[in-house]
Amino acid sequence: AQSVTQLDSHVSVSEGTPVLLRCNYSSSYSPSLFWYVQHPNKGLQLLLKYTSAATLVKGINGFEAEFKKSETSFHLTKPSAHMSDAAEYFCVVRGSFGDDKIIFGKGTRLHILP
Amino acid sequence: DVKVTQSSRYLVKRTGEKVFLECVQDMDHENMFWYRQDPGLGLRLIYFSYDVKMKEKGDIPEGYSVSREKKERFSLILESASTNQTSMYLCASINGRSRYYEQYFGPGTRLTVT
Repeated sequence: AQSVTQLDSHVSVSEGTPVLLRCNYSSSYSPSLFWYVQHPNKGLQLLLKYTSAATLVKGINGFEAEFKKSETSFHLTKPSAHMSDAAEYFCVVRGSFGDDKIIFGKGTRLHILP
Repeated sequence: DVKVTQSSRYLVKRTGEKVFLECVQDMDHENMFWYRQDPGLGLRLIYFSYDVKMKEKGDIPEGYSVSREKKERFSLILESASTNQTSMYLCASINGRSRYYEQYFGPGTRLTVT
């Protein structure tokens, strides 16, 4: 069975400082991993995805994530936070070989301090 | 661009009313999903559909039903609305069952049951 854990429910950073949102997963087979962003009162939008190609994945708005199989992690980073990054972020895992259920983390709310 | 639209952004209904939430996608996606989103609980899957007239229960189907008469449209029905169904409802679609595909989300319907 698959699972995904977002280690922080809230993260606060100052504008211009780095962002780190942590995600750990569990999957029996090679999974795909996704990060989505949700701005207030909006639907979810894909930031980036890992599907077994390059382990360092670049996404929109300067975000990137690194797939680390040994650590079962897929942390989301950005070098310099912007006020517009304030939102909720979801880490998602999807397996393969008959276990293709889509599993969402509970979300991390990112606060940007001026 | 894929577009997923939901019939209402905000909806207020009374306890016991029958409620219809409509979702339409314009990219011929096979699979469609209904989630509810509550603070601290993330997204929880209510129902999904892999094809026209097919439906599968998700993690929290109780009190809900669905209908998929056409490929582009997936409706969520609350047979007799209750106050504990007050929530944000999100519809999503995806182009097949491969783990390489990401979901596309609608903007959400915030339902209040009084």
